[in-house]
Amino acid sequence: NAGVTQTPKFRILKIGQSMTLQCTQDMNHNYMYWYRQDPGMGLKLIYYSVGAGITDKGEVPNGYNVSRSTTEDFPLRLELAAPSQTSVYFCASSYLGGRGINSPLHFGNGTRLTVT
Amino acid sequence: QKEVEQNSGPLSVPEGAIASLNCTYSDRGSQSFFWYRQYSGKSPELIMSIYSNGDKEDGRFTAQLNKASQYVSLLIRDSQPSDSATYLCAVKNNNNDMRFGAGTRLTVKP
Repeated sequence: NAGVTQTPKFRILKIGQSMTLQCTQDMNHNYMYWYRQDPGMGLKLIYYSVGAGITDKGEVPNGYNVSRSTTEDFPLRLELAAPSQTSVYFCASSYLGGRGINSPLHFGNGTRLTVT
Repeated sequence: QKEVEQNSGPLSVPEGAIASLNCTYSDRGSQSFFWYRQYSGKSPELIMSIYSNGDKEDGRFTAQLNKASQYVSLLIRDSQPSDSATYLCAVKNNNNDMRFGAGTRLTVKP
């Protein structure tokens, strides 16, 4: 069982380039999340989705875009990379159980992005 | 105003001692609360989840939730050097997103 799969694991971008971070899960989870984690810091929520076709902004959405066309996939797009976007990016998924209680997050292994 | 706050670290305890980690949150409608452990360069891994007021014990770990005070804590008994990591508190808000605190770095000294 693959769980949450993120690609690529590492990437170096030049300022102004664009890229898409891929995330897919095979657990049929309805909730998916993108976080970034700067060195020595906690996780900041970029975008999240409660189901296919529905996305919402988190704490730090500027400079990013997402889409959720299927339950399985939740790609994160960087259009004009900036040095401030150098970070580790984590994708995660969970499901909504009874009485509105969320299951714990299942995390991917992360993508380490450097923008120079 | 930060939505999830954790006591600032780093926290250092001797081996065998109790480590106490604290977290407060701002959304009174929050229903799901989690503690994650993260080793350097790795993804967070779940330690405990708690949904109801009171204590929940799992081995050496005890999570405590007080919704009236908007407070969640994690106690680690008989701390081991392998417990040295960053501990992250996570809260599911009423608007369905999941927010994390900044984390507390714990060091257990042999």
